[in-house]
Amino acid sequence: DTEVTQTPKHLVMGMTNKKSLKCEQHMGHRAMYWYKQKAKKPPELMFVYSYEKLSINESVPSRFSPECPNSSLLNLHLHALQPEDSALYLCASSQVLGRQRDQPQHFGDGTRLSIL
Amino acid sequence: AQSVSQHNHHVILSEAASLELGCNYSYGGTVNLFWYVQYPGQHLQLLLKYFSGDPLVKGIKGFEAEFIKSKFSFNLRKPSVQWSDTAEYFCAVTSSNTGKLIFGQGTTLQVKP
Repeated sequence: DTEVTQTPKHLVMGMTNKKSLKCEQHMGHRAMYWYKQKAKKPPELMFVYSYEKLSINESVPSRFSPECPNSSLLNLHLHALQPEDSALYLCASSQVLGRQRDQPQHFGDGTRLSIL
Repeated sequence: AQSVSQHNHHVILSEAASLELGCNYSYGGTVNLFWYVQYPGQHLQLLLKYFSGDPLVKGIKGFEAEFIKSKFSFNLRKPSVQWSDTAEYFCAVTSSNTGKLIFGQGTTLQVKP
């Protein structure tokens, strides 16, 4: 079992809906990440938070809005998504951003998102 | 810009066969190298990592990888695969500066019983 918990596991939403994905870790990690993964493709980095502050935004459309309310939680707010946004959304965490020595990223199981 | 290239997109092996998956990266500075595995319907799991020291790295489940700096390669090996090794394998690299994890395109390994 992974130590990074993501909810919900599956989400189906219409293009006008507003929903949120949630991610939680209790490993004391201070860096948290959102990735998007299409079938048979590698994960693509979307956002990185370091010490609850947005550190990296990989030019993600504004219909995706991340939030880090505290060091254990990471949310991804969704609004007016497009069908091409259907994918597996992965959350990951690591001890500290930029210092990968002995600090690999730990991934959650993901939320499988379908946009109708 | 950093990039990772995995040569084999789809590999089919019989049980007990030996495995080698190729991975090459492009980056001139200090890199950290990883192999992740994603079993069907499961999360990405770390198989092994290289930061420095002995270029032959041993990971979980009998996997190992060899870092060859002159070839910018980090190939994954296993002497004898099992049906349970059927999964998607991703090579990844981070720079020591940004910590961003850059993945290769992945290799689908199918092991026939």
